[in-house]
Amino acid sequence: GNSVTQMEGPVTLSEEAFLTINCTYTATGYPSLFWYVQYPGEGLQLLLKATKADDKGSNKGFEATYRKETTSFHLEKGSVQVSDSAVYFCALSVMNSGYSTLTFGKGTMLLVSP
Amino acid sequence: EPEVTQTPSHQVTQMGQEVILRCVPISNHLYFYWYRQILGQKVEFLVSFYNNEISEKSEIFDDQFSVERPDGSNFTLKIRSTKLEDSAMYFCASCRDEGYNEQFFGPGTRLTVL
Repeated sequence: GNSVTQMEGPVTLSEEAFLTINCTYTATGYPSLFWYVQYPGEGLQLLLKATKADDKGSNKGFEATYRKETTSFHLEKGSVQVSDSAVYFCALSVMNSGYSTLTFGKGTMLLVSP
Repeated sequence: EPEVTQTPSHQVTQMGQEVILRCVPISNHLYFYWYRQILGQKVEFLVSFYNNEISEKSEIFDDQFSVERPDGSNFTLKIRSTKLEDSAMYFCASCRDEGYNEQFFGPGTRLTVL
């Protein structure tokens, strides 16, 4: 089956620190990969995505590269801000008989202090 | 910018009662989803809906659950006889096209079963 494993949180960083949140996956078929972010009290928002191997998704200074050989999609940001504090979810989607659903990891809480 | 809305934001109910969670997807979207997140656990797929019928459902989506699009704008999730373990955050999502296009999520309804 499909599954996503991401690092346990919370991740606590000071402002301007470098961020990495690890994500690995297993999938039957060729998945698309996503990072979603959930700010306090809000729903899930797509942060970035990649649909094929070696693609790099990027948005708001965040990046993740689809690594098929290591089945990974690690999220990185060079300099985090307090406003980046949120829960980050890695997810995959595989087409199945014409339909696709998202399989999520458990989420990693990021706390950024000034 | 169009967004998915959900009501209520928080629902408290007694065990055995029926609840209906409501969602208004983005107006030109064709695919609709319900996910849930039990506190501290991962976001789990429940059901997808297209062309007025269920296209896929998970093991969680048993006979106690049903979905409906009663009037062309609302998309509802009904739990017929709630159990304590149904307490969770329920997210509605919609998607314009199937495949690898973005699923837009609502802010969620927190269901508490006492």
